[in-house]
Amino acid sequence: EAGVTQFPSHSVIEKGQTVTLRCDPISGHDNLYWYRRVMGKEIKFLLHFVKESKQDESGMPNNRFLAERTGGTYSTLKVQPAELEDSGVYFCASSQLEASPGNEQFFGPGTRLTVL
Amino acid sequence: QKEVEQNSGPLSVPEGAIASLNCTYSDRGSQSFFWYRQYSGKSPELIMSIYSNGDKEDGRFTAQLNKASQYVSLLIRDSQPSDSATYLCAVKNRDYKLSFGAGTTVTVRA
Repeated sequence: EAGVTQFPSHSVIEKGQTVTLRCDPISGHDNLYWYRRVMGKEIKFLLHFVKESKQDESGMPNNRFLAERTGGTYSTLKVQPAELEDSGVYFCASSQLEASPGNEQFFGPGTRLTVL
Repeated sequence: QKEVEQNSGPLSVPEGAIASLNCTYSDRGSQSFFWYRQYSGKSPELIMSIYSNGDKEDGRFTAQLNKASQYVSLLIRDSQPSDSATYLCAVKNRDYKLSFGAGTTVTVRA
């Protein structure tokens, strides 16, 4: 079974440009999460999809970030326009639909974003 | 106050020794507790989960949870060089999102 995949693995862009990150969850996982780790800080929650619906987007830093999950399969996270403080590693995770507290979240390898 | 705090590292232990990692959390409503291992440049990998007070053992790993003290720990027995990694404590609340500590980097010296 394939794990969570993310694309690209690295992205280097200039301030003001747009970047789109993609996440493919494990097949059959209805829950999809985005997290971010900025330099020297802990991994922070960004948002949570259940199928195609945004369940919780309380961690999104501002309106320059837009996440979508059309069709309830893969998800994209767009940053427009990118700022220097957006640099970090963006992780995607997925889990099965069962709403149990112990439901394991499987993480992808992350996308390292550098904004110059 | 941070939601999840871990003992500051790095932690260096000799091969065969016990590595002890500690974590405290602030939300008394937290329901599930996890330890992830992350090798450099790789994805966090779940190695232990614990939901009830007490100890849970899995191979060389033992997780301990004390909800009254809002404390969770991880012991790695017979540490191996392959255990060298960053260990992340994560806490899940009622809304299912994970809150992470900053991580503790462990180095096992051969």
